[in-house]
Amino acid sequence: DAKTTQPPSMDCAEGRAANLPCNHSTISGNEYVYWYRQIHSQGPQYIIHGLKNNETNEMASLIITEDRKSSTLILPHATLRDTAVYYCIVRSYGGATNKLIFGTGTLLAVQP
Amino acid sequence: NAGVMQNPRHLVRRRGQEARLRCSPMKGHSHVYWYRQLPEEGLKFMVYLQKENIIDESGMPKERFSAEFPKEGPSILRIQQVVRGDSAAYFCASSSGGPNQPQHFGDGTRLSIL
Repeated sequence: DAKTTQPPSMDCAEGRAANLPCNHSTISGNEYVYWYRQIHSQGPQYIIHGLKNNETNEMASLIITEDRKSSTLILPHATLRDTAVYYCIVRSYGGATNKLIFGTGTLLAVQP
Repeated sequence: NAGVMQNPRHLVRRRGQEARLRCSPMKGHSHVYWYRQLPEEGLKFMVYLQKENIIDESGMPKERFSAEFPKEGPSILRIQQVVRGDSAAYFCASSSGGPNQPQHFGDGTRLSIL
């Protein structure tokens, strides 16, 4: 089972920031927080990941709370092409298995 | 395109036939993962392979399904004696395998069973 909880859906106006929350209250010290998105049944697209520090790349920012029990993915200027299902996943560092466990994600609908 | 390549993109088989799905990882990646997405459901992990070795097959059905990643050539997911319930999108991902390295996905193979 997925170790994360996300709202099933969110709306965002085009051009505004989209803030997608994720709860992972049982996260362990050796687990990263990963974000992927899936646009209309294409392959999942990697967005960003982090351990405990906030991270930023060309796609998004990831804010992780100090206790690491929750995080927020921020798309700074959402466009219509950002409409997708966004998955928050916790993944162990190292170990024999590197599998990703996908939950149901958040369907982000960017409105014009 | 240096991304993960999957072929075919669409595959149609009749019940009882065999399906072979191919995955070429990104350049420099030696770790391959297969996931399945049934209609209207989320992605489920099937198997994790490194070159010539199966590392984790905990998500593979016990019968009819097999996977390989030979020293040369693409990874192959093989489904024997397909049934209607095998209809799904099958996604392959690859990574360099190092700690803290993300998996990158291909665009999948849509398998339809008649």
